[in-house]
Amino acid sequence: AQSVTQLDSHVSVSEGTPVLLRCNYSSSYSPSLFWYVQHPNKGLQLLLKYTSAATLVKGINGFEAEFKKSETSFHLTKPSAHMSDAAEYFCVVSQNTGFQKLVFGTGTRLLVSP
Amino acid sequence: DTGVSQDPRHKITKRGQNVTFRCDPISEHNRLYWYRQTLGQGPEFLTYFQNEAQLEKSRLLSDRFSAERPKGSFSTLEIQRTEQGDSAMYLCASSPWTSGDYEQYFGPGTRLTVT
Repeated sequence: AQSVTQLDSHVSVSEGTPVLLRCNYSSSYSPSLFWYVQHPNKGLQLLLKYTSAATLVKGINGFEAEFKKSETSFHLTKPSAHMSDAAEYFCVVSQNTGFQKLVFGTGTRLLVSP
Repeated sequence: DTGVSQDPRHKITKRGQNVTFRCDPISEHNRLYWYRQTLGQGPEFLTYFQNEAQLEKSRLLSDRFSAERPKGSFSTLEIQRTEQGDSAMYLCASSPWTSGDYEQYFGPGTRLTVT
């Protein structure tokens, strides 16, 4: 079965500095991977997705992620953090069982200080 | 397009009571999903509908839980004889019918507190 491990429960950065949120996946075959963001009192929003095309995936709000099969990683990065980036981020793998069942990691809370 | 809506947004109930939540997906989406998110955890899959057919149920969905999507549009999730362990955020998502991978659009969730 597919699974994801988010290596940090909390990440703190200063505004304007780079962001790195780490995710490792486990899958018996080529996975589909996603990053979702959850702001307080708002629904989950898709940031980006990898579906076996380009290994470097660009998403919304300046985020990107690189799929590295040799390292089974799908880390999320952003060159310069903004205060509005403070939220909970989930790394997600799709379990293809005839439909798209999403398996979420435990989340990383990103804190951005001025 | 108003997105996925869920009602109510918050529900406080006493243990043993029944509760029902409603999800209205994006109108042209024929796939609908329910997830449950407990504090400090990521959402966990509960069940999946394609049109009105419930095609998959997680082992998390005990006999006290039932979900319906009678006309392939809105869906309801009912919990009977609620327990304190049912306290969680219940999320609904919908997606269109396309081949390959596609985005699931999530609603804001219903937060259930069982006292």
